[in-house]
Parts: sequence; C-alpha cells; structure tokens
Amino acid sequence: AQKITQTQPGMFVQEKEAVTLDCTYDTSDPSYGLFWYKQPSSGEMIFLIYQGSYDQQNATEGRYSLNFQKARKSANLVISASQLGDSAMYFCAMRDGTDKLIFGTGTRLQVFP
Amino acid sequence: GAGVSQSPRYKVTKRGQDVALRCDPISGHVSLYWYRQALGQGPEFLTYFNYEAQQDKSGLPNDRFSAERPEGSISTLTIQRTEQRDSAMYRCASSPNPDQPQHFGDGTRLSIL
Repeated sequence: AQKITQTQPGMFVQEKEAVTLDCTYDTSDPSYGLFWYKQPSSGEMIFLIYQGSYDQQNATEGRYSLNFQKARKSANLVISASQLGDSAMYFCAMRDGTDKLIFGTGTRLQVFP
Repeated sequence: GAGVSQSPRYKVTKRGQDVALRCDPISGHVSLYWYRQALGQGPEFLTYFNYEAQQDKSGLPNDRFSAERPEGSISTLTIQRTEQRDSAMYRCASSPNPDQPQHFGDGTRLSIL
C-alpha cells in the first residue's frame, strides 16, 4: 500500500542554518511524484517543490532542494539559510498512478534567532 | 484572484443539517481535488475530477458525501445529514492536468454542533 512517513514531529533550527526534513515513501508503482508543501500557522497549503520518479537530478527551487534517494525511497527536504518565516508545518506527499496525493503526518519546523 | 477560492471560509451548523462547500479552481485548470484535513494531520483525499468527470471518489467516507463539477469549473462538495465527526477543514486543490502540482485553496472550516 502507498504510504508516506515523516518521523520528525518537530524540528528546531537557528536562523541562517540549513535544516533537513525527512520523508520516506512506499509504493509499488514505478511512476510517481513526490511533493513538499508548507503550512504556516495561518493555515494555507503552499506548494514548495516537486520530484518525479524518473528525474535524474534532484529538484531545487530557490532555498529549497529535495534530496531524492530512490533506492532508499527517501525524499528529504533541505532548506538552506533558514529564515524566521520558514517556521511552519511541512508536509511530504506522494502522487501515484491514481493521481491523488497521499500526505505524511507533517513536521513542525521552528526557526529561532 | 488568481488562486483557488473556497467558500464559505467558516461554516457552523447543527447536526443533521445539509451543507454545501464551494470551490472555484484556478482558471483553466483541468483537475480539481477535494481533501479533508483534521487538526494536526495531513490532508486526506476525498474525490477528484478531470473536467466535469468524477475520476475517483474512493475517499468519500460514506454516501452522505457527494461532489459535482457540472461545467468543468466550479465544484460543490455536499454533506447531507451532518454529524459531529464531519467537523474538519475541507480543502480544494486544482492543477492544470493530473501530472502537475496541485495548488490548494485556503479551505472551509466546518464545525458541526
């Protein structure tokens, strides 16, 4: 069965430092997509970054990069140069052949000065 | 606005009443999705449409829940005979096609008294 696992309920990072949020997935479908979303305390869901299962290179979007290790079935989000505004809940999600997104339980990131 | 619009933002109703939640996707987006998010959890898939066709309704909890998208644009999620366990954030998302990232609206917070 398709599943997303985020094992870190909470993470702390100091401003300007980098942080890695972990995500592992399970699927038997050879074609899938992996996504990260940010949910600030205001509640919106903001799309951050996408990695396709056949993509050869790790995805990057500004300060966000996705460390995709296919053999390990992991898709960790790396945020470089953390900012106070990065404090939020972060969700990893997978889209398999059925097109719906399956979400993990999320990681709450706190950035401190 | 350019984003996914949901209305109402908040809905409080008595147990047993019917409710209708509306989603106006990003203009031109073919795919429209409904999710439900409990507090502290990731969103859970309910149903989705390509154009006006309902492609998958496997996530609808029971037959009190239904959705439609009659003209391939605006969608309505209807819950009949509401129960307290239906209380949650209901989120709509849209994408240009099923392969593209989904963009979420701000959600409707439903509270059943």
